[in-house]
Amino acid sequence: QKEVEQNSGPLSVPEGAIASLNCTYSDRGSQSFFWYRQYSGKSPELIMFIYSNGDKEDGRFTAQLNKASQYVSLLIRDSQPSDSATYLCAVNKGGTSYGKLTFGQGTILTVHP
Amino acid sequence: GAVVSQHPSWVICKSGTSVKIECRSLDFQATTMFWYRQFPKQSLMLMATSNEGSKATYEQGVEKDKFLINHASLTLSTLTVTSAHPEDSSFYICSARDRWRDRLNQPQHFGDGTRLSIL
Repeated sequence: QKEVEQNSGPLSVPEGAIASLNCTYSDRGSQSFFWYRQYSGKSPELIMFIYSNGDKEDGRFTAQLNKASQYVSLLIRDSQPSDSATYLCAVNKGGTSYGKLTFGQGTILTVHP
Repeated sequence: GAVVSQHPSWVICKSGTSVKIECRSLDFQATTMFWYRQFPKQSLMLMATSNEGSKATYEQGVEKDKFLINHASLTLSTLTVTSAHPEDSSFYICSARDRWRDRLNQPQHFGDGTRLSIL
């Protein structure tokens, strides 16, 4: 089992729709969770992070964390073509791995007009 | 704020050459920087953790003698790929964390990456 696993995608949604990206992690002791967006040929850019159970909203983005289910998701409302990118889920396990991020394989999102 | 500069952005060189990549935190101090490698259509793989003033910590399977890391100041870490070969061609990305915000839930800030092509 991979340490961080994302839905395989690619995911295609029409402009204006909600895009839902999912991520599960294997280490129950993981403490903080990050969503990054990566455009082709570019480095990742942070969208948001979450460390408490529940929802966290920032503009069109909502991150959801359920530690009991070891599940974190990202919702993108009113999707725009400019949101088309690879979305990376990253997990900070804490403990002896303090500070290190483990990335999922990424989900490619395409928003079509 | 929290800008990380990486240089060069693109390198093309012959097999056997050593290549140095710099990673600088421009507006914050970073006691810890991370070096990643990303092959096409794959995710980021952590290579090593660079610690200011001490030896780097390498991930399993990463050759420390091939990928030399130096973190001599709070704003600069360098990765040297020694005697590079075509299989070392990849996208190398560094990240840094603000030492004064070094808490578990603080994000890493990424440089723009270096695309290395070995002929």
